[in-house]
Amino acid sequence: AQTVTQSQPEMSVQEAETVTLSCTYDTSENNYYLFWYKQPPSRQMILVIRQEAYKQQNATENRFSVNFQKAAKSFSLKISDSQLGDTAMYFCAFVSGAGSYQLTFGKGTKLSVIP
Amino acid sequence: EAQVTQNPRYLITVTGKKLTVTCSQNMNHEYMSWYRQDPGLGLRQIYYSMNVEVTDKGDVPEGYKVSRKEKRNFPLILESPSPNQTSLYFCASSLISNQPQHFGDGTRLSIL
Repeated sequence: AQTVTQSQPEMSVQEAETVTLSCTYDTSENNYYLFWYKQPPSRQMILVIRQEAYKQQNATENRFSVNFQKAAKSFSLKISDSQLGDTAMYFCAFVSGAGSYQLTFGKGTKLSVIP
Repeated sequence: EAQVTQNPRYLITVTGKKLTVTCSQNMNHEYMSWYRQDPGLGLRQIYYSMNVEVTDKGDVPEGYKVSRKEKRNFPLILESPSPNQTSLYFCASSLISNQPQHFGDGTRLSIL
């Protein structure tokens, strides 16, 4: 079974600064997909970014970008120009590209953006 | 509006009283899934379904049942709830498993 590890239970960042959330995973597969989801205090789950393992180019979405290191099995999320609305729990998730259809989430990182 | 609808949003019940949490999506998605969220444990997948009549266990299936008789509906059944099933539950759907999940608003379940 795959595992997803988020080693930072809590982080804080000053407004307008940049912060990086880490995620590592363990798999023997070559084809898979990775996601970052955001959960604000409203408890809604919102997709932040998606990365396909066979694509070397790092995914970006406005102020959000990832650093995908396939050999190191690392998938960190960088948030630039942090805003108060970025305060949330962030979850990293993994799904296989073939075979198992099970999604595995990390335990989450609670990010606080400080004014 | 594309959405995943869960009901109820909140439920307090007692040990042993069967309950069903409904989930419905209007996006014609093939993949549907149930998760539970507990503090410090993140989201853990309970069951998932790749299509009608096709379901499989996730990480924590014990004490839960599901069915997928229609594409749009994927109810979660607790036949004999116990206090350790007190949690926040999410239903989600996607076109296929490797696409982003659309989540419902969550169901806060308390079992006394």
